[in-house]
Formats: sequence, structure tokens, C-alpha cells
Amino acid sequence: SQTIHQWPATLVQPVGSPLSLECTVEGTSNPNLYWYRQAAGRGLQLLFYSVGIGQISSEVPQNLSASRPQDRQFILSSKKLLLSDSGFYLCAWSEIRNTEAFFGQGTRLTVV
Amino acid sequence: GQQLNQSPQSMFIQEGEDVSMNCTSSSIFNTWLWYKQDPGEGPVLLIALYKAGELTSNGRLTAQFGITRKDSFLNISASIPSDVGIYFCAGPIDSNYQLIWGAGTKLIIKP
Repeated sequence: SQTIHQWPATLVQPVGSPLSLECTVEGTSNPNLYWYRQAAGRGLQLLFYSVGIGQISSEVPQNLSASRPQDRQFILSSKKLLLSDSGFYLCAWSEIRNTEAFFGQGTRLTVV
Repeated sequence: GQQLNQSPQSMFIQEGEDVSMNCTSSSIFNTWLWYKQDPGEGPVLLIALYKAGELTSNGRLTAQFGITRKDSFLNISASIPSDVGIYFCAGPIDSNYQLIWGAGTKLIIKP
């Protein structure tokens, strides 16, 4: 069966520091991969999605970037965090040509 | 742009009551998905709907794909404490199967 791993679960970082969140999927090949952000008590905002290695589409201009160095690895990064980057970050995957997305456990990022 | 309007925003109910929430769109959807999110965790897929008029159940949960293809409903029968959480509807907006999401319905069960 397929599983998705996302880490770390929580992170407290100072303003101006770099960020790297990692997500890996097991049990499937060539998945679509997604990074979402969720502000407290709000809905999900799609940040990036990827349909293949090295292919990244950005939905919202921001201080963040994403990379997909391997088929089942998706990384969310920032060179310099802002206070407004605080939130709950979720990685998700779906099969090609399938809408059903499956989520990781999330990372609670607090920028101080 | 496209958006999903989900209502109600929150619900306060007694244990044992039935719950109903809905999601509407100005555009036609070919798929409706319903998710539940527990605090501090990622959303979990509850029910997927693929045909207009389709009625699908998952235990005490029942979801329907509206005939107009612009709405969907989720019902929970005989609510229990573990039903607490935020329920989201979602649907694909383009041929790349990207999802747009409702703002969520927060379910709170009164003790």
C-alpha cells in the first residue's frame, strides 16, 4: 500500500533563516505531488504541484520554492523565512490522472 | 476565479444528532471529494463522487453528487464525539486534476 511521510512535524525557526521540509511517498511510481499551506482555522491553499521529476508549477508567488529531485521526493524550501510564512504545511500525492489526493501528517511551522 | 462555497462554516450539535453540510460551485464539476481533518493532522479522504446524482455511503456518512453537477452534500447520521473536526469539499478545476477546496465546515459536539 502507498504511504506518505512528511517531516518534521513541528518546527520553530527565526525570521531570516532557511527552510527545508521534506516529503516522500512509498508504494507508487510517478505520482503527482503537492505542497499546501493552511492558516489557522482556514482552508487549504495550493502552493506547488509537480507532475514529474524537475517539473514544478507554482500557484502563488511567494517566498517559497519547491523541488523534486527524485520521483517520490518533494521538498519545500525558503532562503529567508518571513513571519507570514508561519502555518501548517501539508504534502499530498495523487495518482496520475486521478483527483483523489492523500495527505501527509503536516508540519506546523512557526516563524519567530 | 473558481471557488467552492461550503456551508455552514461551523456547527454545534448534540451527540446523536444528524449533520448535514453542503458545497456549491458556479462551475460544473466532474468529481466531488469530501475530506475530514482532525486537529494537527492532514485531511483524510472520506468519500469520492464521480457521477451526477450518485449517492455514496461510508459507514454513517452519506454524500451525494448534485444533479446539476454544481453542488454536493455530506450527511452524518447519529453523530459521535470522534466526528469532531473540519470537513472539506474539493473538486478538480482543470485537466491536470488540480483541486480547489471549500473553506471547511467545523463540527463541534456539545457535551
